[in-house]
This record gives sequence, structure tokens and C-alpha cells, in this order.
Amino acid sequence: DAMVIQNPRYQVTQFGKPVTLSCSQTLNHNVMYWYQQKSSQAPKLLFHYYDKDFNNEADTPDNFQSRRPNTSFCFLDIRSPGLGDAAMYLCATSRDFTTGTQEFGPGTRLTVT
Amino acid sequence: QQQVKQSPQSLIVQKGGISIINCAYENTAFDYFPWYQQFPGKGPALLIAIRPDVSEKKEGRFTISFNKSAKQFSLHIMDSQPGDSATYFCAASASGTYKYIFGTGTRLKVLA
Repeated sequence: DAMVIQNPRYQVTQFGKPVTLSCSQTLNHNVMYWYQQKSSQAPKLLFHYYDKDFNNEADTPDNFQSRRPNTSFCFLDIRSPGLGDAAMYLCATSRDFTTGTQEFGPGTRLTVT
Repeated sequence: QQQVKQSPQSLIVQKGGISIINCAYENTAFDYFPWYQQFPGKGPALLIAIRPDVSEKKEGRFTISFNKSAKQFSLHIMDSQPGDSATYFCAASASGTYKYIFGTGTRLKVLA
């Protein structure tokens, strides 16, 4: 089945220790998104890629970076995680900006100790 | 104008009852309105979506009602089951833009 895969599902990192989360998709979608979701809140968009074009949301901290080496993979790098960065990180994809539908992955739960 | 207001924040329904969640928006450019279901520790899953050219869309026990003039849309879950207990998010987006505007979510609990 075509899908969005996130690894790892659970990640524990230490305060200030860089961490990378990964997302892959078999949908061949042009757009990939990274969201941060904290408990009892809606997902908050961090950035997205349309093909290789990167778009950062205005309020995304500089501590968060992303890479998309090819159509299938996208990475979220947190350079110096703080306690406030503990959250669920969701990857999503969409075919383009006209179809509307975003498909979400299962998420990575990040814990910062 | 970019907000989507969702209510109620939480909802408790008896098994077999009807669950109703409402969303309202201001931006008339929005033309895609999905509902997502999210279980604890999982990613949101698309449940059902509607575009403004229809007033209602039904898929199984789930129905979206859409009122374009009032700028409101709602999710109805018929014959609610304990397995429907989850958080539901409405969202809105406009064609040609990348961004979903999410509602604040509704935590639904269906009592057995």
C-alpha cells in the first residue's frame, strides 16, 4: 500500500543534542510537510517542500531545519533540542496544491531529557 | 480571517447516538474542507472531505453537512461506537495554497 512512513516512532534525546527524524513516502507526491503537534493541540506547520522548493513558516524557530534529498525522503533536523521541543512530529504529503488532501504519517514522538 | 473555529472542545455520547461537531470559517477563498480522526499516539487520518459545490457528503456512518452562506460545516457520526472515541479535527484550505487551517479539535468519547 502507498503510504507515509516515519522513523523512528519514538525518539529520546538529551537537551541540546542534535536529533534527526525521517519521513519517506511511496505516494510519489510532490509536496512534503512537517508538523509539530503538542498534547491536545492541532498540528502546527513548521515547513514544507514542493519538489525541491523549501518554504519555512514565519514562526518556525531557526533550531528546526529540513532536508529533502529526493522525492521520497524528507528529514527534520533539530539542532539543539530544548524541553519545549518535546512533541509529536508529523510528516504529511500531498500530490500538489490543487487536490487539497494531505496524507499524514504515524508520527514520531520526541522526548527531550 | 484565517481561523477555523471548532466546537465543542469535548463531547460525550452514548453508544448508538449521534455525534455532531461544528466548524465555522471566515475566509471565502477556502474551497476544501477535510475532517481528520486522530487516535492517541497516532497520526491524523483523513475521514471525509467536502468541497463547496455540494451541501452534504456521506460515507458510511460519517456525514459532512456544508452551509456555504453561513460559512459553516459539520461532521455527523451516526450510530456512534466506542471505537469512534478519538480527537477530530476539521480543516480548511484554498486551492493553490499549501496550508491547512486546522480547527482546535474535539475530543469525542463514546460510552459503551
